[in-house]
Amino acid sequence: DADVTQTPRNRITKTGKRIMLECSQTKGHDRMYWYRQDPGLGLRLIYYSFDVKDINKGEISDGYSVSRQAQAKFSLSLESAIPNQTALYFCATRGDRGRNEQFFGPGTRLTVL
Amino acid sequence: QQPVQSPQAVILREGEDAVINCSSSKALYSVHWYRQKHGEAPVFLMILLKGGEQKGHEKISASFNEKKQQSSLYLTASQLSYSGTYFCGTGTAGGTSYGKLTFGQGTILTVHP
Repeated sequence: DADVTQTPRNRITKTGKRIMLECSQTKGHDRMYWYRQDPGLGLRLIYYSFDVKDINKGEISDGYSVSRQAQAKFSLSLESAIPNQTALYFCATRGDRGRNEQFFGPGTRLTVL
Repeated sequence: QQPVQSPQAVILREGEDAVINCSSSKALYSVHWYRQKHGEAPVFLMILLKGGEQKGHEKISASFNEKKQQSSLYLTASQLSYSGTYFCGTGTAGGTSYGKLTFGQGTILTVHP
C-alpha cells in the first residue's frame, strides 16, 4: 500500500462549490504539506503543519483552508472554488530525522468550471 | 521568492551530460533536488546542506555554493530513464522557515535514444 494517499484523484466541479481534498499517510511523520502545481510555476506551498496543533500558511493560502484531524490526516478545502484554482494538488510528508526528504502523494487533479 | 532554475528545458541524446542550476536570492541552509516523471509525483533525489558538500546518486551528483546561494545538479552519461522535470527546493534557516521548502519552477529534461 502507498505510504501517502490522496482522495479523490480527479475532481471536476463548478465555480462556487466547496471542495475538500484529503490526504492520509502511514509513515508516522509529523510534518505534512499541501502544494499546488501549475505548468511553468513549479510547486507552490499552500499550507503546512508540523503537528496536529500547528498549522501555518504557505505562499499562496488565500482561498484555501486546512484541517489536521490527526497525525495521519491533513485535509485541504476550497471554500468557494474558482476557475484559477484549477491545478494539480500534492500532499507531502516529511520525517524529523534522517535525510529529511519529502514524500509526495500521487496528486489530485482538480478542474473548476 | 521562488529560486530560479536554468535552463527551463534541455534535450539530450543518451550518453550526453547536462547541468541544471538553481539560484536563490535568500541565504540558504539546504537544497533538495527532486525528479518528477510525467503524470507522477515528485521523487527525492538528494539533499545538500550548508557547507558546500557534494552528494551523489548513481550518475547524478550535485553541489551547493552557499556564498553564491546556488546549487547545480550534474547528470552524466544520461539514460532514457533520466527524462522528467527536475525541481530544486530551497530551505532557509531559523524560525518558521525550518522544514519548509520553496521550489523552483522546474527544468524539463528530455533524453532521446
